[in-house]
Amino acid sequence: EDKVVQSPLSLVVHEGDTVTLNCSYEVTNFRSLLWYKQEKKAPTFLFMLTSSGIEKKSGRLSSILDKKELFSILNITATQTGDSAVYLCAVGDVKYGNKLVFGAGTILRVKS
Amino acid sequence: GAVVSQHPSWVICKSGTSVKIECRSLDFQATTMFWYRQFPKQSLMLMATSNEGSKATYEQGVEKDKFLINHASLTLSTLTVTSAHPEDSSFYICSVGQTQMNTEAFFGQGTRLTVV
Repeated sequence: EDKVVQSPLSLVVHEGDTVTLNCSYEVTNFRSLLWYKQEKKAPTFLFMLTSSGIEKKSGRLSSILDKKELFSILNITATQTGDSAVYLCAVGDVKYGNKLVFGAGTILRVKS
Repeated sequence: GAVVSQHPSWVICKSGTSVKIECRSLDFQATTMFWYRQFPKQSLMLMATSNEGSKATYEQGVEKDKFLINHASLTLSTLTVTSAHPEDSSFYICSVGQTQMNTEAFFGQGTRLTVV
């Protein structure tokens, strides 16, 4: 059965800190790995990763995938209070069509 | 991308009543849709896969008679919480999944259900 494990489960940092969120996975036929940010409602898409070693960046956020070691990291630099959210990692498996398997999420709280 | 509309965004109901939540794919014909449930500060838990024209596929531990799913057309799936109890209070969200290999998954806005 496919599995997605995120760590840490929760994290409290101060504004300006850099954080690294981890996502490891076990899937039969990997298709893609996605990162989402969720505040109060529907998840907001951040990144989709399909190839190893290619960093995706968006402002202070970046992410990279290692398909050999089966993990991805999400980095947030110079954190702000607005970064406080639940960060979800999800993996698509060809076996399951267009369904995603989600990790438990990392709750990030940025203190001012 | 796909635009997914979920309705209502929040609902309060009395114990014992049933509540229907709609998920519409506005610009994409979705043969499958996914229903998730989320408790506060927890991740999305997949409840079931809604299949157009056939029975939904429920995840282990999800009562199919409690959470009725109907997917009668390519643009509409409904989730009915029957005989609701306070423990059914949660955030329910639907998704059309990844519409193509190189796209994100698209979600509805979610429905906050409170059973009193």
